[in-house]
Parts: sequence; structure tokens; C-alpha cells
Amino acid sequence: GAGVSQSPSNKVTEKGKDVELRCDPISGHTALYWYRQRLGQGLEFLIYFQGNSAPDKSGLPSDRFSAERTGESVSTLTIQRTQQEDSAVYLCASSLTWGFGNTIYFGEGSWLTVV
Amino acid sequence: GENVEQHPSTLSVQEGDSAVIKCTYSDSASNYFPWYKQELGKGPQLIIDIRSNVGEKKDQRIAVTLNKTAKHFSLHITETQPEDSAVYFCAAPPSGSRLTFGEGTQLTVNP
Repeated sequence: GAGVSQSPSNKVTEKGKDVELRCDPISGHTALYWYRQRLGQGLEFLIYFQGNSAPDKSGLPSDRFSAERTGESVSTLTIQRTQQEDSAVYLCASSLTWGFGNTIYFGEGSWLTVV
Repeated sequence: GENVEQHPSTLSVQEGDSAVIKCTYSDSASNYFPWYKQELGKGPQLIIDIRSNVGEKKDQRIAVTLNKTAKHFSLHITETQPEDSAVYFCAAPPSGSRLTFGEGTQLTVNP
């Protein structure tokens, strides 16, 4: 596609439920990133993929968070047993390859509200 | 890991004035410095970037300057317009890892 596509754009879920957030990167981009942004805050790194592998999972805040990527394309971020502090915008981004100087393109984000 | 500090956190200017946002970084190996603009309800968009082999880069009303010795880089917006109002993020990559973003600057351009 023309840009990074994320779905759903908005999600309201009850505390304790699981949610899945989907990201379609720009076609041909091998690197894919997930960031979290709480209201009025900066960008918090969660995880990145090079191809289907995730060399850096250090940003995942707890074992309730997991992510996978298949076919060097679509990625899914899963949050289990959601908590109110999980409420945030989850931003996906992609770049042609991983490494210095590669422009990172962001999607519009998935706005998650846990009630 | 890399530490990127961004100042100010908020900036209010009159239309037509200039705005300057500054970031400092800690990893001397960093060699790529992008700036992103995030409008309300949207994802961040790259507006300009600079690599460490140049000291300044300009694109119309936007410029970025880099001082590798002092480890800081700045975004300059001249002749500001109301549509420049947004949150601006700087970023720097620590050696061998992903981009680390500053905390953001909320720029408000008053008409």
C-alpha cells in the first residue's frame, strides 16, 4: 500500500479482555516497529522486527504484551488481560531496512481505551 | 543506551516569528538525526533529517543544524504559520539500535 496501515483505528475494551492490533507496513519494507504513546507523552519503543524476527523485545512492558510478524509483512501486537494503564495510542512504523539513516514511516495509530 | 533530551516542551510564537527546538544526545556514534511532526490525532511524519557529514540542511522554511562536538541538533522554522502548530519530535539512533525519540515539543503558532 501507499503507507503504513493500522487497524482498528479506535478500540474500546473492557479491563481484562484481550486485544489484537494489526499493522500492514509499506510494501517491501523489511523493518517494522511498534511504539506506544500515552496521551500527551512521547514515543515509547516496544519492539521491532527485521523480517519475521524480533531481535529487540526489550521495550515490551510486561509478559501480557506480545507481537508477531508473518511473511515479512503484517504484524500483530497482542495485549492480554488489558489494564487501564494500557490505554494509549499504539503506533506502527516501517522502514526499508533496519539500521542507520533509514527513514521510518509511521501509521496513524490504533487508539486503545481500556474501561 | 541513547538518551535524547528535547527543549522546550512547549513553545508559543506569533505568526511570522521563528521557532527553534533543540535536542541533545549522548551517544557520539549517532550519525542520523530526523525530526518528526505530529498533528493532533495523526501519526508522526518525517519533515527533515540530517546526517553527521553535514552541519546544516534546509528545506524551504525548515532547517536543521547539527553540532557533533557539542552533541546537539536543532530544528529552525522561519515565518511560522498556524498550520505549523503541532508536536515536534527529534530522534537519534544509538549505535546498533533503533531510534530513540525526544519527549516532544508542543508548538503553538498564534495568528
